[in-house]
Amino acid sequence: ETGVTQTPRHLVMGMTNKKSLKCEQHLGHNAMYWYKQSAKKPLELMFVYNFKEQTENNSVPSRFSPECPNSSHLFLHLHTLQPEDSALYLCASSQDRAGGRTGNTIYFGEGSWLTVV
Amino acid sequence: AQSVTQLGSHVSVSEGALVLLRCNYSSSVPPYLFWYVQYPNQGLQLLLKYTSAATLVKGINGFEAEFKKSETSFHLTKPSAHMSDAAEYFCAVSDRPGGFKTIFGAGTRLFVKA
Repeated sequence: ETGVTQTPRHLVMGMTNKKSLKCEQHLGHNAMYWYKQSAKKPLELMFVYNFKEQTENNSVPSRFSPECPNSSHLFLHLHTLQPEDSALYLCASSQDRAGGRTGNTIYFGEGSWLTVV
Repeated sequence: AQSVTQLGSHVSVSEGALVLLRCNYSSSVPPYLFWYVQYPNQGLQLLLKYTSAATLVKGINGFEAEFKKSETSFHLTKPSAHMSDAAEYFCAVSDRPGGFKTIFGAGTRLFVKA
């Protein structure tokens, strides 16, 4: 139990479907992240939220739409996905500060396996 | 700009043998360095991290890593491999305290033979 919970763990969706991935962190962190993990590719950072504000969008296609209603919850809304979007989607959180060398740790959820058919 | 390179996408060792997973980084400022482990069907979890307090960092499950600035390396070692160590290991680098700009390596899968 890492303190970051993702649902669902597995999702199969058609290319015309609309679905959402949910993430909740119980660690009191202020920053939350979505990563994509595909076979044979490095971990890709998709979005970063800090205190509910999006601070980073790494050129992610608009068919992925994040939502962060508060510092504890993060969603990834999915629509008109492509088969190449099939991957493990990891949510993570951290407690970040403006200064000091605390090297804050990123805590990951167990991931949501997405298959697009 | 930062980057991290993990040498070897797959490493195989016998149970009881030394584990050595290699990581080299590039950073224009003093880096924060991390090793994460991912067991099958799970997310990543932190093994250890370097934040300049000591160059030899000890982590969980008997792993340790040594920061060598002259070699820009942060290799992960364990004296004696156990079957339960079979997993994928990720080296990561950040140029600031928070997690915002953490860059992950491509990962090294460790196989442990009986």
